[in-house]
Amino acid sequence: DAEITQSPRHKITETGRQVTLACHQTWNHNNMFWYRQDLGHGLRLIHYSYGVHDTNKGEVSDGYSVSRSNTEDLPLTLESAASSQTSVYFCASSPGQNLAKNIQYFGAGTRLSVL
Amino acid sequence: AQKVTQAQTEISVVEKEDVTLDCVYETRDTTYYLFWYKQPPSGELVFLIRRNSFDEQNEISGRYSWNFQKSTSSFNFTITASQVVDSAVYFCALALYNQGGKLIFGQGTELSVKP
Repeated sequence: DAEITQSPRHKITETGRQVTLACHQTWNHNNMFWYRQDLGHGLRLIHYSYGVHDTNKGEVSDGYSVSRSNTEDLPLTLESAASSQTSVYFCASSPGQNLAKNIQYFGAGTRLSVL
Repeated sequence: AQKVTQAQTEISVVEKEDVTLDCVYETRDTTYYLFWYKQPPSGELVFLIRRNSFDEQNEISGRYSWNFQKSTSSFNFTITASQVVDSAVYFCALALYNQGGKLIFGQGTELSVKP
């Protein structure tokens, strides 16, 4: 079955370290998104991509970067982890061109703790 | 500005009670989509329903029903005869047609159904 997987599921790191969270989908979806979930804020968009070599900033992009070298993967990098980036991170993907209409399918999430 | 508000942070009911989760959204756009997602204790987000701004017909799916009212900018979700398995965090989200499918989430409502 097609799916979207995130790894690792849990990560503990130290302030200042570079961290990369992986997201891999097998649906061949064009569109991929990264969100962070924090209490009281719901989910907020970090970065998104509409296709290979396309990346865009979301609402809370400072301190994060993404790259899209193929259809299946959108890794999220924290260049220098900060305690404020302790959160649960979700990757999502959606098909097609009518972007607002398309349902986004989410991975299981990565719980990141920055100490 | 676009915004989604779920004013109920936590709701606790006893099994078999009916419960309504409120969602109020703000946008000046005329074309948009509204979504509900469920996040069970296991953590993943599960899609429940999508509704477009031109379709105000209410929808029922088993014990779940949704009431969309453009006049009050609301998209409320009712669970009839709640069950313990309904315990989860529920998110309402908005996607604007001209903003590339980015989901704007509410803060979420944590529903606890006690036996």
